[in-house]
Amino acid sequence: QVHLVESGGGVVQPGRSLRLSCLASGFTFSSYGMHWVRQAPGKGLEWVAVIWSDGGNKYYADSVKGRFTISRDNSRNTLYLQMNSLRVEDMAVYYCARERLGGREAFDMWGQGTMVTVSS
Amino acid sequence: DIVMTQSPDSLAVSLGERATINCKSSQSVLHSSNNKDHLAWYQQKPGQPPKLLISWASTRESGVPDRFSGSGSGTDFTLTISSLQAEDVAVYYCQQYHSTPRTFGQGTKVEIK
Repeated sequence: QVHLVESGGGVVQPGRSLRLSCLASGFTFSSYGMHWVRQAPGKGLEWVAVIWSDGGNKYYADSVKGRFTISRDNSRNTLYLQMNSLRVEDMAVYYCARERLGGREAFDMWGQGTMVTVSS
Repeated sequence: DIVMTQSPDSLAVSLGERATINCKSSQSVLHSSNNKDHLAWYQQKPGQPPKLLISWASTRESGVPDRFSGSGSGTDFTLTISSLQAEDVAVYYCQQYHSTPRTFGQGTKVEIK
């Protein structure tokens, strides 16, 4: 069965760091571009970052550029999001999402999300 | 960046009636590489992740009921639920995947009247 499972969320103080993970199963992870999308409490969806299948290209939303780093380990079928210098406005449920094969495609699979709370 | 704007923000529709959600992009999402509109619709029910309903503006995903349909091209798109069912209560988002950042509309909440 095809799955994405996020982990690593929690409560963190402003200015601190956190690393999220997304474990993929049931498909050839190394073939797919992967994204992080977040959703603040009661708000809409905000795209965060993308990494291409081979990890060679990465792009970020302006709101996280320079603070967040997306990476992947295709041997471990795992996607990561390193979040540094966290701010209150980064508090959200973070979803990993798979981009369908083909390039410039929709997100056809999503994880259940992991909650990040930024509070002093 | 391409800005996606949905209307309305919310709507209440009686069971069995039609629900229509609009999505407008700040620039065309028609890509010259394949002459397709890179526009998707997602459904998000409370406590759940988004679910892809429609891609390429009008192509329903496998398993999505045919009461859901997408239309439009260029910059103006519509998601229609032809006969609203109780299980369709959700927030619906449009998204462009023409370019990065992959922006979403602000969402439209659909409720039962």
